[in-house]
Amino acid sequence: KNEVEQSPQNLTAQEGEFITINCSYSVGISALHWLQQHPGGGIVSLFMLSSGKKKHGRLIATINIQEKHSSLHITASHPRDSAVYICAAISRGSNYKLTFGKGTLLTVNP
Amino acid sequence: NAGVMQNPRHLVRRRGQEARLRCSPMKGHSHVYWYRQLPEEGLKFMVYLQKENIIDESGMPKERFSAEFPKEGPSILRIQQVVRGDSAAYFCASSPPSGPNSYEQYFGPGTRLTVT
Repeated sequence: KNEVEQSPQNLTAQEGEFITINCSYSVGISALHWLQQHPGGGIVSLFMLSSGKKKHGRLIATINIQEKHSSLHITASHPRDSAVYICAAISRGSNYKLTFGKGTLLTVNP
Repeated sequence: NAGVMQNPRHLVRRRGQEARLRCSPMKGHSHVYWYRQLPEEGLKFMVYLQKENIIDESGMPKERFSAEFPKEGPSILRIQQVVRGDSAAYFCASSPPSGPNSYEQYFGPGTRLTVT
């Protein structure tokens, strides 16, 4: 079992819909990242969380340390949000290295 | 403040050749991480370096792969005698020295290695 699990693997939405991507992890963590990758493209860090909630534009990330769970929400989704979203955790005592989920492929149709 | 730079962006090597991938961290960052993304697979940690030190190489294949981060100049990931299975995207990330922001990691654009 992967230390970091994401769901769903694939997600198709209509423009304007509210999107939720979930991430659960099985170990104690120091921090959790949400990353975005466009096909064939680079990786952009969206959020780094160790507690609570962060918001940037239409993107919101939350984390519940007790439940070992994080969510990424996209409000008013747009076709340009189509990308792979990756959850990555820094396990406690892991020398800061990231352990990645397998990613969620989001497709937003106009 | 330039971001993390990687070069080359695309690299084609024949089986048996050597591949050298370079990563220049963001200004002021002294920690460098290398990650590999194999086709149709997720990202995997390879190695974590600080200036002149390898901190954690638990994700590096035992043979043919090496990494360095010298006092001056970029970090280098070196793959000797490449094989087709080395074809992947290699990403470098950097973070600031220890402190409240040291969990932040900033990624470079990646180097796409193709072995023919």
